[in-house]
Amino acid sequence: KAGVTQTPRYLIKTRGQQVTLSCSPISGHRSVSWYQQTPGQGLQFLFEYFSETQRNKGNFPGRFSGRQFSNSRSEMNVSTLELGDSALYLCASSSYRDSYNEQFFGPGTRLTVL
Amino acid sequence: DAKTTQPPSMDCAEGRAANLPCNHSTISGNEYVYWYRQIHSQGPQYIIHGLKNNETNEMASLIITEDRKSSTLILPHATLRDTAVYYCIVKGSSNTGKLIFGQGTTLQVKP
Repeated sequence: KAGVTQTPRYLIKTRGQQVTLSCSPISGHRSVSWYQQTPGQGLQFLFEYFSETQRNKGNFPGRFSGRQFSNSRSEMNVSTLELGDSALYLCASSSYRDSYNEQFFGPGTRLTVL
Repeated sequence: DAKTTQPPSMDCAEGRAANLPCNHSTISGNEYVYWYRQIHSQGPQYIIHGLKNNETNEMASLIITEDRKSSTLILPHATLRDTAVYYCIVKGSSNTGKLIFGQGTTLQVKP
């Protein structure tokens, strides 16, 4: 079956703009998590959505937001972009049949803020 | 903050076993040990997880010490394609979708 897909794969924005990234989970998966990866901070958890509700949230400012649709697809939005928001944004989905399921990661969206 | 400690880098000869250690001395009784790896510029990939018993799958083996304060991921016959950053993660069942990544171990498999 198809894996996790993320669009777009690459994005260039300028400071002050906003951006929306999309993630389509594996069919049947209801949990979608988002991560930010930078050379300095590594992989950091942003938030998790399950059945259209935010279930967990990392330590990021309110400029970072997300949502999940009834088909489990998820979007994350970053407003008022800063240079430091340049990163690889990864999403991961899980079936959550139990608490110990593996997460399947997408290829990521590479965001560059100029 | 990450609850695990891993060496920043390791080398391994192709065809030999790669043994990647991880310390998790503050692990709680209901927390699992997960291993993921990230090949350059790709999303992380799940490898294996365990609670207290040793585990084996088609990719690797996981050895957890009896006191659960440390574990070792074993890649039995490393290939060049196993060159990646390996992350050891401790996760409780209450944080289902939240993985706390540390800095991981960069494994370099050499011919």
